[in-house]
Formats: sequence, structure tokens, C-alpha cells
Amino acid sequence: AQKVTQAQTEISVVEKEDVTLDCVYETRDTTYYLFWYKQPPSGELVFLIRRNSFDEQNEISGRYSWNFQKSTSSFNFTITASQVVDSAVYFCALSEVGGSQGNLIFGKGTKLSVKP
Amino acid sequence: EPEVTQTPSHQVTQMGQEVILRCVPISNHLYFYWYRQILGQKVEFLVSFYNNEISEKSEIFDDQFSVERPDGSNFTLKIRSTKLEDSAMYFCASKTAAQNYGYTFGSGTRLTVV
Repeated sequence: AQKVTQAQTEISVVEKEDVTLDCVYETRDTTYYLFWYKQPPSGELVFLIRRNSFDEQNEISGRYSWNFQKSTSSFNFTITASQVVDSAVYFCALSEVGGSQGNLIFGKGTKLSVKP
Repeated sequence: EPEVTQTPSHQVTQMGQEVILRCVPISNHLYFYWYRQILGQKVEFLVSFYNNEISEKSEIFDDQFSVERPDGSNFTLKIRSTKLEDSAMYFCASKTAAQNYGYTFGSGTRLTVV
């Protein structure tokens, strides 16, 4: 069965620190997609990244970077030089391809607090 | 950029009342979804809808829930007789195809059952 685990419930850092949010997933499919979403206090879900299972290249977008390691079933997210505006709940999600309509399975989220 | 629009943003209803949550997906999208997030918890899949019928539903989506696409633009979630535990944020989402993983989420409807 598919599952997404975000072991860190809450993380608190001081502005300008780097922070890594962990995500470990389980799936029996060989083809799947992984996602990160940000949920600010206003409540909406903001899409950050989508990765397919065949693409293990790390990705960098500004202060954000993602490390996808199939061998350890992990898709970790690093924020470099964190800012107060990064304070939010971050969700990792998995979508299997085979036999489904592409539904998303979310982790429980990591609440990140960045203090000035 | 096209958006998924959800109305209302916040709804308060009495226990036992029927409630309808409305969504306008992006016009050329074909797959529609409802997700639920109880306060402080993870986002959970409720139901997917394609070609005017439910394609998948979770255990949460029991007989109290129904979905409809009444007029080719709106996509609604109805809860027939609300319970306190239905209080949650409900997100609508849409995408162009099952194998296209470019989800677009609406900004959510916060439902409070009192």
C-alpha cells in the first residue's frame, strides 16, 4: 500500500538558517510522482514541485532544492537561508500511476516556523 | 493563470443540515477531485470524478456524501446530513488527464458544523 511519512512534526529555525524537511514514501508501483506543497496560514495549498520516479536529478529553484533518492525512498526538501515568509506547513505527497486516477496521498505535514 | 474557484470560502452550518460546496474547475480540465483536511491534520482524498461519474472514492466518502457536475462548469460536493466531525477544509482540484499530474487546487472551503 502507498504511504508517505513526514517524521518531523514541527521545526523551528532562526531566519537565514538552512532547513531540511524529510519525506519517505512507500509504493509498489515502479512509476509514480512525488510532490511538495506549501500551506501558509491562509490555508491554501501552494504547489512547489512535482517529480516522476524516473527522474532522480536533484532540482534547485532559488532558495529551494529537492533531493530525490530512490534507493532510500526519500524526497527531501531543503530551504536555504530561510525567511519568515517560509513559515508554513509543508506537505509531501505521492501519486501512483498504475490503475488509479492519480489521486494524491499526503503525508501528515511538517510545520516550519522561521523566527526573525 | 487559470484558477479553480471554490465558494463559499467559509460556511457555518448546523448539525444535521445539508450543505453544498461549490467548485468551478479550469474549463479544459477533465478530472475533478475533492480532498478534505481536518484542522491540523493531513489532506485526505475523498473522491475523483471523470466523464460524469465517480471514478474512485475513499472510505471517508460514505452515503452522506455525493458529487455532481450539474451544468458542465460547476462541480459540487453535497453532504446530506452534516455531523460535527465533518468540520474541515474541503479542497477541490482538477487536471486535464489522469496521467497528467499537473493538479490545480482551489483555495478551499472551510466548513464549520455547530
